[in-house]
Amino acid sequence: EAQVTQNPRYLITVTGKKLTVTCSQNMNHEYMSWYRQDPGLGLRQIYYSMNVEVTDKGDVPEGYKVSRKEKRNFPLILESPSPNQTSLYFCASSFRGPGQGSVSGYTFGSGTRLTVV
Amino acid sequence: DQQVKQNSPSLSVQEGRISILNCDYTNSMFDYFLWYKKYPAEGPTFLISISSIKDKNEDGRFTVFLNKSAKHLSLHIVPSQPGDSAVYFCAASGFYGSSNTGKLIFGQGTTLQVKP
Repeated sequence: EAQVTQNPRYLITVTGKKLTVTCSQNMNHEYMSWYRQDPGLGLRQIYYSMNVEVTDKGDVPEGYKVSRKEKRNFPLILESPSPNQTSLYFCASSFRGPGQGSVSGYTFGSGTRLTVV
Repeated sequence: DQQVKQNSPSLSVQEGRISILNCDYTNSMFDYFLWYKKYPAEGPTFLISISSIKDKNEDGRFTVFLNKSAKHLSLHIVPSQPGDSAVYFCAASGFYGSSNTGKLIFGQGTTLQVKP
């Protein structure tokens, strides 16, 4: 089954304790991206990757890191989480990225609800 | 600055009637617009898209209209069904080489409730 898999689904952590949220897709998609969803703000893009070893900042990258060492995986790293990073996080992938021609839609993972206390 | 705006946080319609969800954008360099539907505890799912060279795209009960001069798009659902109750997000992407290359920019979302 074609899908984007995020882990964990739920995570409660303490301020300053490094964590990684994993994202994996099995569709051989070139483009992957991370979003956070907050009430009243919709989905805001954190980082994206157009291909392996090619990553760039989205609109809210502060406090986050990513890596794209292989096509299928795009982990989101919070080096020193803070309470304002409490949010619902989504990973997404697509065959082509925005601005690369026809956009057929993006496949999203089921989300990771992160609470930082 | 919010480049894509959905000014109605919620909408309630009766089953069988038309649902109209609206979205405004500010950047004339957007070339594709998409609508996503999201149920609780699930990720958003792609619904329908439209290129900036078109003004209408239809897929079954769903039609998206684009008015470039007004920088406005709308999603029409006819007839509305209780299973359509969800949060709807519009999103926009920019031309390759623009400052928004690689970015898919979402609105705040509109919660649609279809009453039986």
